[in-house]
Formats: sequence, structure tokens, C-alpha cells
Amino acid sequence: GAVVSQHPSWVICKSGTSVKIECRSLDFQATTMFWYRQFPKQSLMLMATSNEGSKATYEQGVEKDKFLINHASLTLSTLTVTSAHPEDSSFYICSARDFGWSTETQYFGPGTRLLVL
Amino acid sequence: DAKTTQPPSMDCAEGRAANLPCNHSTISGNEYVYWYRQIHSQGPQYIIHGLKNNETNEMASLIITEDRKSSTLILPHATLRDTAVYYCILTEEYGNKLVFGAGTILRVKS
Repeated sequence: GAVVSQHPSWVICKSGTSVKIECRSLDFQATTMFWYRQFPKQSLMLMATSNEGSKATYEQGVEKDKFLINHASLTLSTLTVTSAHPEDSSFYICSARDFGWSTETQYFGPGTRLLVL
Repeated sequence: DAKTTQPPSMDCAEGRAANLPCNHSTISGNEYVYWYRQIHSQGPQYIIHGLKNNETNEMASLIITEDRKSSTLILPHATLRDTAVYYCILTEEYGNKLVFGAGTILRVKS
């Protein structure tokens, strides 16, 4: 299947700082990428849909000024957590959509664990 | 909200087939059934998907009932590495989000 990478795999930062997470589709072009967040013992929650060359679409309750998304190319989307606070500590996962011959499938990155102190 | 219902957990003996059920009684005609799994502390992994016909790939088989109201994911020879949370998700063919429910925790035991 298609490969999606994320960087960094984990990050620790101080409260009030900003953190950027990269999501790359390595062997296919992705016009759409998705960002999820997962708290311990919970399922994945979609945060936003990232479209190449246009503004991201955020899910209800997700602050777009806090979670900045940039999808500058067909293989790269970035999520910046601005002014991070301890409650932003979570597992952030991206996915990218690959168009097959009949349907599309989302492939997920390995995730980035964020700890805000 | 997720439109599927899965048992919260299941156990399976190593080497035996693992059969994971999923109910989706309100599935619409253009919705596919997708299965993903998430091994602890990793991103979800795509397993298989189907519309109406049964599907098989190198990882698993997907059996969809004729009325499409339920399906079963079959791992033919479960190994310890198959221990994970398995998610059954409905989504339309193109352009749609994946909504994750609670999934089924599959524990493969030796």
C-alpha cells in the first residue's frame, strides 16, 4: 500500500510555544490529507481536511487559529499547534487519500506524540 | 457518530481464524465498508474494503451479507502481531471523511 510519513514522531515542548508536524505522502500524490487527534484510550477524532492549494476545512469545535494547516504541495501537509498548552498533549495522526482504479483509500502516517509541559 | 456497531473486544487463539463482526443496518447504496486496524501507539493500517461482493487480499477476507447490513472481517491465521483495535467504517466512494467508532479490541493469545 501507499506510504505516509510523519515528522517528528514525538515532541516535547513548553507551554506557550508552537509545534509544527509534517505529513508526507512518499509514493503518491495526495490532493487531500486529513488530520486526526487521539487521546489515550479513545478513538481517532478528525480535526480537519487539508486540500492542496486551498484553505483547510475544520471540524466543528476545532479552533482554526490554534491548529494551522498548510498543504503547500501534493505530497506535504503541515499542522502547526500554536501556543500549545498541556491540554493539547495528544497523538496527532495524518492520512492521505490515494485514488485507486475504482475507489480511493486513506493511508495513515505513524503518528506524532505531542507532550506539552 | 459512527454508523457501525462492533463488539468491544474479542479473543482469538494464535493460528486460528479471527472473525470480527460489524453491523451496519443503515448502510446506503453508495457506501463502502472499510476495515482498518490500529496497533498500539501506531497510525491506523488499511486492511480491506468492499461494496457488495466478498473481497480477499493478502491480509484478510471481507464477507458482506447479501442485504449489506452486516459484514465480517476474517483473519485466516491470526498471529500475536494481529493484536490491535479493528475499525469497521462506512464511507462513500470518493471525497469523504472516515468516522472512527470505538472498534473491536482483538487479543490474539498463544
